[in-house]
Amino acid sequence: GAGVSQSPRYKVAKRGQDVALRCDPISGHVSLFWYQQALGQGPEFLTYFQNEAQLDKSGLPSDRFFAERPEGSVSTLKIQRTQQEDSAVYLCASSLGGFHYNEQFFGPGTRLTVL
Amino acid sequence: AQSVTQPDIHITVSEGASLELRCNYSYGATPYLFWYVQSPGQGLQLLLKYFSGDTLVQGIKGFEAEFKRSQSSFNLRKPSVHWSDAAEYFCAVGLTGTASKLTFGTGTRLQVTL
Repeated sequence: GAGVSQSPRYKVAKRGQDVALRCDPISGHVSLFWYQQALGQGPEFLTYFQNEAQLDKSGLPSDRFFAERPEGSVSTLKIQRTQQEDSAVYLCASSLGGFHYNEQFFGPGTRLTVL
Repeated sequence: AQSVTQPDIHITVSEGASLELRCNYSYGATPYLFWYVQSPGQGLQLLLKYFSGDTLVQGIKGFEAEFKRSQSSFNLRKPSVHWSDAAEYFCAVGLTGTASKLTFGTGTRLQVTL
């Protein structure tokens, strides 16, 4: 079966441009997470969906960051007016969900470079 | 807020030697504990996890980790390292009782010399 896929794998943006990063979770996975991994750092939580509901967006660094999952499957992370500090790898993870912990499966990430 | 500390940024071991990667966490209760491995250009792969029970947990690829409550530690070990184990290793914690976000340490880069 296919794992979590993300596209594009690499994105170069000029400062001030808007970008959209896509995540295709494992089919049937209810929970979806976005993480940001800066160079030399561990991943940091951005936001969490259960189906189409965004239950936690406490990690989004500013109102320039917006995520959606309108049909409870594919998710898009949008960054408006990109800044150099947005340069990072953006990781998506999905899990079966539910009350008890289920393993999060990670995609390969999208490396965003803002010039 | 919970936090994770991985004190070793970079470790080099010879192939066949034993390995121990350190992880300390700060949390009011016992969280869920994880070790992930990340190879260049790859996503994070779960090596092992601890929820409760036996404090020595076995994972994939011959790795094991021991939870020590008194030291708030969850160190990763492997008796004999292979060159293919060279990668970045991350310790992470999650809140108990929820399918929740993970808090990661800053990682330890493992280099294996032949």
